[in-house]
Amino acid sequence: EVHLSESGGGFVQPGGSLRLSCAASGFNFNLYGMSWVRQSPGKGPEWVAGIDGGGDNTYYADSVRGRFTISRDNSKNTLFLQMSSLRAEDTAVYYCAKEVEYIGSPLFEYWGQGVLVIVST
Amino acid sequence: ETVLKQSPDTLSLSPGERATLSCRASESVRSRYLAWYQDKPGQAPRLLIYGASSRATGIPDRFSGGGSETDVTLTISRLEPEDFAVYYCQQYGNSPPTFGGGTRVEIK
Repeated sequence: EVHLSESGGGFVQPGGSLRLSCAASGFNFNLYGMSWVRQSPGKGPEWVAGIDGGGDNTYYADSVRGRFTISRDNSKNTLFLQMSSLRAEDTAVYYCAKEVEYIGSPLFEYWGQGVLVIVST
Repeated sequence: ETVLKQSPDTLSLSPGERATLSCRASESVRSRYLAWYQDKPGQAPRLLIYGASSRATGIPDRFSGGGSETDVTLTISRLEPEDFAVYYCQQYGNSPPTFGGGTRVEIK
């Protein structure tokens, strides 16, 4: 059974940094692309960043490019999102999501439960 | 980016009734790469439909999808109590992937 579990969320001041992790199990982690998707209160989901199965190719939404970095450690079946220069508009529940292919297919077959990030003074 | 507009915002129906949800894209989506997800409080979102009309693994056949590269629908033939939730469409054929604003299906 596929299981995705996010951690690392919390409260941070504007301009601060936070690192999210996502522990994966139940599938061959290195064979699938992974993404981070966020959802602000009252809004639809927003894709944030994606990475291919080997970690060689990364993709970002314009809203986070240059501030967020997605990475993965296939030896530990873990996905990361390093967030810096955080803004109030980054406040959201962040989900990690398993894609259906190794690369280039941001269809999200499984999602984690999500972790809340609040950026505020 | 491709903007997805879902309608209606809220659908008030009774168990056993038919639900029809719509999603319109601002431009043609490559290969009809459109999906539907179900979202319930406290649960991970669940993939229901991909490729506009293919059911994901384990999804009951009361859920069906159809439509074109710009307009898709999700139909729930007979609502079960567990189907009352928020539904989102997503396109993954154009870059970047985008989601609609959601349709809430509530008990009447």
